Amino acid sequence: EIVLTQSPATLSLSPGETATLSCRASQSVGHYLAWYQHKPGQAPRLLIYDASYRATGIPARFSAGGSGTDFTLTISALEPEDFAVYYCQQRTKWPLLSFGGGTKVEIK
Amino acid sequence: DVQLVESGGGIVQPGRSLRLSCAVSGFPFHGYAMHWLRHAPGKGLEWVAGITSDSENKDYADSVKGRFTVSRDNAKNSLYLQMNSLRVDDTAFYYCAKDIGDQWLMFDHWGQGALVTVSS
Repeated sequence: EIVLTQSPATLSLSPGETATLSCRASQSVGHYLAWYQHKPGQAPRLLIYDASYRATGIPARFSAGGSGTDFTLTISALEPEDFAVYYCQQRTKWPLLSFGGGTKVEIK
Repeated sequence: DVQLVESGGGIVQPGRSLRLSCAVSGFPFHGYAMHWLRHAPGKGLEWVAGITSDSENKDYADSVKGRFTVSRDNAKNSLYLQMNSLRVDDTAFYYCAKDIGDQWLMFDHWGQGALVTVSS
């Protein structure tokens, strides 16, 4: 089983600042990594798929990169609606997938 | 617009059963794999089960294997999750989610969730 480790667990920032979130895999996942945003009481939202491709309707302030075992999600100029929990998720082949433990981006 | 609407959640005693449904619209349901995921209080997201577009492949997380059954009716644009022998640690919001493709295992649309509470 591939384990995804997200860091930091919590990120305290002010609106307008840049958030940098990390996701590390216990073994290579190639570019098969996604990022999701999850707010309390709402459905999770796909932000990024295949490591670096923004999903439909996702603002350009969300960017991501990486391959193999190390991945990064960057949120430039945080907006108030960006404060949420972010999860990375890997998949190898059906039905093997796993999620990281999440990073909470909170208002400082 | 793509819409996924779960129903069937509720409060149930340990050992009992519950069936979740997900009504889908806004995309060709028959062309995509579909999944159930859950979010338990204080925990992260967990994939529960998935089913390919033609129902040929169905798979489950180890935590629910043998207790939960996923199915779909392409004529009714609906996804189902039959949950038997429920345990307290099955308590969670359950989401149906659309796969990006037929077996891509990334989820581009999610429902709002159905709360399942297992408690005596």
